[in-house]
Amino acid sequence: VTLLEQNPRWRLVPRGQAVNLRCILKNSQYPWMSWYQQDLQKQLQWLFTLRSPGDKEVKSLPGADYLATRVTDTELRLQVANMSQGRTLYCTCSADPGQGADNQAPLFGEGTRLSVL
Amino acid sequence: AQSVTQPDARVTVSEGASLQLRCKYSYFGTPYLFWYVQYPRQGLQLLLKYYPGDPVVQGVNGFEAEFSKSNSSFHLRKASVHWSDWAVYFCAVIAGTGGYKVVFGSGTRLLVSP
Repeated sequence: VTLLEQNPRWRLVPRGQAVNLRCILKNSQYPWMSWYQQDLQKQLQWLFTLRSPGDKEVKSLPGADYLATRVTDTELRLQVANMSQGRTLYCTCSADPGQGADNQAPLFGEGTRLSVL
Repeated sequence: AQSVTQPDARVTVSEGASLQLRCKYSYFGTPYLFWYVQYPRQGLQLLLKYYPGDPVVQGVNGFEAEFSKSNSSFHLRKASVHWSDWAVYFCAVIAGTGGYKVVFGSGTRLLVSP
């Protein structure tokens, strides 16, 4: 069974500190791995999709800054910084089979809950 | 741009009654469409997927969905709802070329009454 393991599952983030999240793909290799942000109202927003080890991307959104890194074929990382005080959000990892893999659908991890003190 | 609209933020259904959750999409060409479910404190789980072919697709736990190109819709249905179906349901479309980017609707929260 292909699994996406995210850690940590939950983190209280002191104001002004960054937090590092990991996503590990087990028992399979999917070419595309992605991060999504989900707010307390459950709205899901795509952040990044990375393909190759060494790929990096940054993005700033209202309420947080993000740096994503594709570390290996099976590991994706996300650094979240400058979260607004009092904010809570969820970061969810996804693994995508890529075009042509018509028998499969994007797979999602359990998510990481981040709350700023 | 590709988009998905779920017009109902919340739907309440009696246990044992039938269910329809609505989804409208906007996409140039033939879309790949999905329904995902999110149970409390869990991640997204795939219910069913549509790739070009039979417009009615069967999913897990008795769910099915029907693709309509003329109506730009992909509504989710279930004949008899169970209390364990209480969750948030997301309709989604693959938007990317090259890499995959999933565009989600805003979600419909399903409440099941006794």
